[in-house]
Amino acid sequence: GAVVSQHPSWVICKSGTSVKIECRSLDFQATTMFWYRQFPKQSLMLMATSNEGSKATYEQGVEKDKFLINHASLTLSTLTVTSAHPEDSSFYICSARRVGTDTQYFGPGTRLTVL
Amino acid sequence: RKEVEQDPGPFNVPEGATVAFNCTYSNSASQSFFWYRQDCRKEPKLLMSVYSSGNEDGRFTAQLNRASQYISLLIRDSKLSDSATYLCVVNFAGSSNTGKLIFGQGTTLQVKP
Repeated sequence: GAVVSQHPSWVICKSGTSVKIECRSLDFQATTMFWYRQFPKQSLMLMATSNEGSKATYEQGVEKDKFLINHASLTLSTLTVTSAHPEDSSFYICSARRVGTDTQYFGPGTRLTVL
Repeated sequence: RKEVEQDPGPFNVPEGATVAFNCTYSNSASQSFFWYRQDCRKEPKLLMSVYSSGNEDGRFTAQLNRASQYISLLIRDSKLSDSATYLCVVNFAGSSNTGKLIFGQGTTLQVKP
């Protein structure tokens, strides 16, 4: 199987703090990982595409200085929400694409609540 | 116009019913098509890929019509455990991107006893 983990699974923080979310592919290598955000009763929206060893590609309307992405290895990508505000509260989900395939495997998601 | 459009429902059906979901996509260059299932407060899980020839997996049948840019999912003999949101997903692997997935907003199915 292909397992993707995310950590933490949920986090509550105060407004103005930064939160780091990790996405790991546990049993396969992923040159590309994707970060999504899902607000209640809405679909997943792609935020950025994370490529190992290079800069992430951000979707239109997503601030790259606010959502910092680092993909330092073939099994780990991190998303840091800097200076989080209540409107950043959402369900953040990553996916990893196995090298040589089109299939994306999703992590279990991280529920962020900013007070 | 949304890139992937679905009727959000909800579809409320009794156990044993047959239910069909439809989806349309706007980008004719789209290359891969999928149905994902998402349970409440969980991540999406791949249900099945969709091929032009149509494909079946147990009680689930998926169809793709490229000419009409239309995808369907048929669920036969609905079970209570089928209650979830079904996401129509399209992969556009154009030259300017790395094969990102575009999600529809999902269709909610509630199967009642």
